[in-house]
Amino acid sequence: QVQLEESGGGLVRPGGSLRLSCSASGAIFRDLYIGWIRQAPGKGLEWVSYIATGGSPIYTADSLKGRFSISRDDAKNSVYLQMNSLRHEDTAVYYCATESGSRTFDMWGRGTLVTVSS
Amino acid sequence: SYVLTQPPSVSVAPGQTARIICGGDNVGSKSVHWYQQRPGQAPVLVVYDDRDRPSGIPERFSGSNSGNTATLTIDRVEAGDEADYYCQVWGVSSDHLWVFGGGTRLTVL
Repeated sequence: QVQLEESGGGLVRPGGSLRLSCSASGAIFRDLYIGWIRQAPGKGLEWVSYIATGGSPIYTADSLKGRFSISRDDAKNSVYLQMNSLRHEDTAVYYCATESGSRTFDMWGRGTLVTVSS
Repeated sequence: SYVLTQPPSVSVAPGQTARIICGGDNVGSKSVHWYQQRPGQAPVLVVYDDRDRPSGIPERFSGSNSGNTATLTIDRVEAGDEADYYCQVWGVSSDHLWVFGGGTRLTVL
């Protein structure tokens, strides 16, 4: 059973940067397709970004392109979400999840909270 | 961009059947997936490809999809089913490849 764990969340000022990490156990990491999904406080789910095996293809929500980028380091069993020029509205719990062949997210981590505030 | 519309809330008594709908333009031609999110927890996939269940999900959970409406049906509702439920499709919008509905809070009376 795959287990995912996010890290790197915290409090950051508007305009700042943060890099989130997603690590996995219980599977061969390089075989995992990984997505990031966020949830603002009291709100619904919003897809953020996705990276396939081998690092390609990569997809990011249009509204976040230019500020958010995803990458992976299979040697470190990690996927990263680099977030720049952060805004108040980026405040959310950020989840990483494995993407199945059905274009669903079938296993999720517990999430990491990002708070953008001055 | 493509929009999936869900009612904000549904209430049902224990032992009854809950139906949660997800509306979208010609959503019947897409594969719809459903997630359950209990308070304070991460989402869990409960139905994929309209009607299939992942391993470990009770048979009480089922799905259907036709026309402009997809439906998640929960038979013999239990207190533990109280949660937010989200529908999701893929590839219908160029700006958001994965699209989620706004979510429905299921309250067990």
